[in-house]
Amino acid sequence: ETGVTQTPRHLVMGMTNKKSLKCEQHLGHNAMYWYKQSAKKPLELMFVYNFKEQTENNSVPSRFSPECPNSSHLFLHLHTLQPEDSALYLCASSHYGGGQGSREQYFGPGTRLTVT
Amino acid sequence: QKEVEQNSGPLSVPEGAIASLNCTYSDRGSQSFFWYRQYSGKSPELIMFIYSNGDKEDGRFTAQLNKASQYVSLLIRDSQPSDSATYLCAAFHSSASKIIFGSGTRLSIRP
Repeated sequence: ETGVTQTPRHLVMGMTNKKSLKCEQHLGHNAMYWYKQSAKKPLELMFVYNFKEQTENNSVPSRFSPECPNSSHLFLHLHTLQPEDSALYLCASSHYGGGQGSREQYFGPGTRLTVT
Repeated sequence: QKEVEQNSGPLSVPEGAIASLNCTYSDRGSQSFFWYRQYSGKSPELIMFIYSNGDKEDGRFTAQLNKASQYVSLLIRDSQPSDSATYLCAAFHSSASKIIFGSGTRLSIRP
């Protein structure tokens, strides 16, 4: 596997279900991100992890719970979601640290989530 | 005020012409700038990054940065129908240590 992978690619869940999204990066990066992209809306940054520590939570509802066991893996645990949470969920990774230069983020293919 | 601003488009360009995509940013401390291409239903794909004033060329793509004017652009030469996509501009905020994305410009290349 190369780059950033995400599973599952598609997920349909009911509002009472609990599911998890998984992301894995094979790029040697030390920062990982969760984004939400709703139809015809810009990317919304949800969570940032640097060196496994959460450094950003953009006022995301508690029904979304991230987990980062190591710098290569990132999870997003979902429970009691609402229909408006239906969106494309994107994982990304990058180098993180001081100085100018490469901060470019590489995205996984995304998980298309539908909440019924 | 949006931190990274783009015209949403759609921008329609004839095949073979030059497509010019523009972006402005508000944080003068931004150090690095990125252009991503996103096809409908797919994830963003990095196509260029630039952090020095001036031009940076890669194949048919040229990124231009003017820090004094807080302006970034992407030129696509010899536009192809396969270039039809949404192009996202992003800036790395040094103070916040994160990338801020614009809302994207939809580009349509007409045959």
